[in-house]
Amino acid sequence: AQSVAQPEDQVKVAEGNPLTVKCTYSVSGNPYLFWYVQYPNRGLQFLLKYITGDNLVKGSYGFEAEFNKSQTSFHLKKPSALVSDSALYFCAVRVDHGSGNTGKLIFGQGTTLQVKP
Amino acid sequence: DTAVSQTPKYLVTQMGNDKSIKCEQNLGHDTMYWYKQDSKKFLKIMFSYNNKELIINETVPNRFSPKSPDKAHLNLHINSLELGDSAVYFCASSPRRPGITEAFFGQGTRLTVV
Repeated sequence: AQSVAQPEDQVKVAEGNPLTVKCTYSVSGNPYLFWYVQYPNRGLQFLLKYITGDNLVKGSYGFEAEFNKSQTSFHLKKPSALVSDSALYFCAVRVDHGSGNTGKLIFGQGTTLQVKP
Repeated sequence: DTAVSQTPKYLVTQMGNDKSIKCEQNLGHDTMYWYKQDSKKFLKIMFSYNNKELIINETVPNRFSPKSPDKAHLNLHINSLELGDSAVYFCASSPRRPGITEAFFGQGTRLTVV
């Protein structure tokens, strides 16, 4: 079965320090991986995705993620955290349904990032 | 110029009632979804429609009935509401084109059943 795991419920970092939010996946076939962020009382915002190609993916707001096939991981990173990065982060894998480029997202359980001033 | 909009944003209702949540997207996408986020923030897909056709139904109780009058709208009707239906419901859409594309989410509808 396809699944995504985020092993940390919460990550705390000081502003200006690098941050990492971990994600591992289990899929059959090629993994299509996504990171979304959810601010309080808001919807999910897309950050970045890995489909194929370069293992280091750059996304919105200075975030990047590293795809590691051997470790089946897709960790989210940022070189210098901001207080405004504090939010709930979700890793997801897309599972296609039939043909025609339709599918669903299977989400990890989410990781709360807290950036302290 | 909200891309994916849901109404209402908050919904408080009594057990046994029937309620609807509406969703509209102005992105020209062919595929729309409903996701449920429970009290532990866990997100799970409920339904997916592609150009008004039901594609995915993730073993959701038949008290939940999605309706897509056109490809820009996907409404969710819930009959005989139960306490366990309390959650945040997110609508999303994605384009149907070659390549893997991300989904765009609405702001969510927080449903509270009392």
